[in-house]
Amino acid sequence: AQSVTQPDIHITVSEGASLELRCNYSYGATPYLFWYVQSPGQGLQLLLKYFSGDTLVQGIKGFEAEFKRSQSSFNLRKPSVHWSDAAEYFCAVGASGSARQLTFGSGTQLTVLP
Amino acid sequence: EAGVAQSPRYKIIEKRQSVAFWCNPISGHATLYWYQQILGQGPKLLIQFQNNGVVDDSQLPKDRFSAERLKGVDSTLKIQPAKLEDSAVYLCASTPTGTGVEKLFFGSGTQLSVL
Repeated sequence: AQSVTQPDIHITVSEGASLELRCNYSYGATPYLFWYVQSPGQGLQLLLKYFSGDTLVQGIKGFEAEFKRSQSSFNLRKPSVHWSDAAEYFCAVGASGSARQLTFGSGTQLTVLP
Repeated sequence: EAGVAQSPRYKIIEKRQSVAFWCNPISGHATLYWYQQILGQGPKLLIQFQNNGVVDDSQLPKDRFSAERLKGVDSTLKIQPAKLEDSAVYLCASTPTGTGVEKLFFGSGTQLSVL
């Protein structure tokens, strides 16, 4: 069965600092990988996704993620964080095949200090 | 293009009462999902429909939860009777025919509070 681990429950960074959110997955084949962001009271917004090809994926809002098969990781990065990036971030892995589903991690809450 | 519509936006009930949520996916989307998101956790899949058939309901607490998609379009999720631990946001999502999670669209969710 597929699973996702986000080791960091809460991360605090200063505005302008760089950011890396960790994500490790478990899946038997090449996974579909996603990062979503959720602000309080809001729905899930897709930041970026990886299916195949280039292992460095660019997303919206200046985010990028790198797929590392050897480490079963898909970490999210941003070179300079803005106060508006404060939110909860979810990594998710998708199954291929007829019963395609998303399995989410437990999330990382990001706080941005002025 | 209209998004995934869900109603109501908020619902407050007392334990042991029943409640129903409604979802209207994007037109033409054959696959529909219901997710439960408890505060502080990631969304968890409850049930997946393909048209009006159930693909996976292995994580649906069938003693109290039920869901249907009779005409392969909109769907309802019901809880009867509700428990305190059912307090969560219930998210509906859909994907176009012939695609999978690579084109998943989420609704804004229904926030349920069970008192």
